[in-house]
Amino acid sequence: DAKTTQPNSMESNEEEPVHLPCNHSTISGTDYIHWYRQLPSQGPEYVIHGLTSNVNNRMASLAIAEDRKSSTLILHRATLRDAAVYYCILYYNQGGKLIFGQGTELSVKP
Amino acid sequence: SAVISQKPSRDICQRGTSLTIQCQVDSQVTMMFWYRQQPGQSLTLIATANQGSEATYESGFVIDKFPISRPNLTFSTLTVSNMSPEDSSIYLCSVAVTDYPGGGTQYFGPGTRLTVL
Repeated sequence: DAKTTQPNSMESNEEEPVHLPCNHSTISGTDYIHWYRQLPSQGPEYVIHGLTSNVNNRMASLAIAEDRKSSTLILHRATLRDAAVYYCILYYNQGGKLIFGQGTELSVKP
Repeated sequence: SAVISQKPSRDICQRGTSLTIQCQVDSQVTMMFWYRQQPGQSLTLIATANQGSEATYESGFVIDKFPISRPNLTFSTLTVSNMSPEDSSIYLCSVAVTDYPGGGTQYFGPGTRLTVL
């Protein structure tokens, strides 16, 4: 199974950009890169996904390296509400299941 | 998108007993999953709940301990049997919606917080 590696924790200041890295050196050609986040006392929620090209949505941007062995989730202006555990997950295109790693715990300081 | 509810939201149980957790989705979905999140840990997939057939369990999880039912495309139950304190966790239900070619988005329920004494 292809795995991802993320830093255990990161800190950010409110209203500053945050770059959350993820390494996935054994990614296969058909694996999508998904990001989910889990706010305190809640179930995970979808953030963004991509395959090869960089992606933007209302929550974040996803920058994917040209060789696809790493990616970065970008929160353009962190808010206190963005404090959460962020999971980078390779989506297995069979059966729809997600395999979660340990994720990065993001704290945001006012 | 999909909205998921779970019952109960939390429970405290005695060891040796069983608890059944319900998961209700507001739309018909093909793929439904059960996860466990132990204190301070990430999520671990227990099984895929298949409609009309036996669930598919991940390594380390067995049907006798975690029987799953999926009677239709909007509902599933997970039973935690013969509980021990090690079963104290948050149990989450999720569904996958195929909303783009070759993939999909998962939506999670709020979880059931189980404490076993």
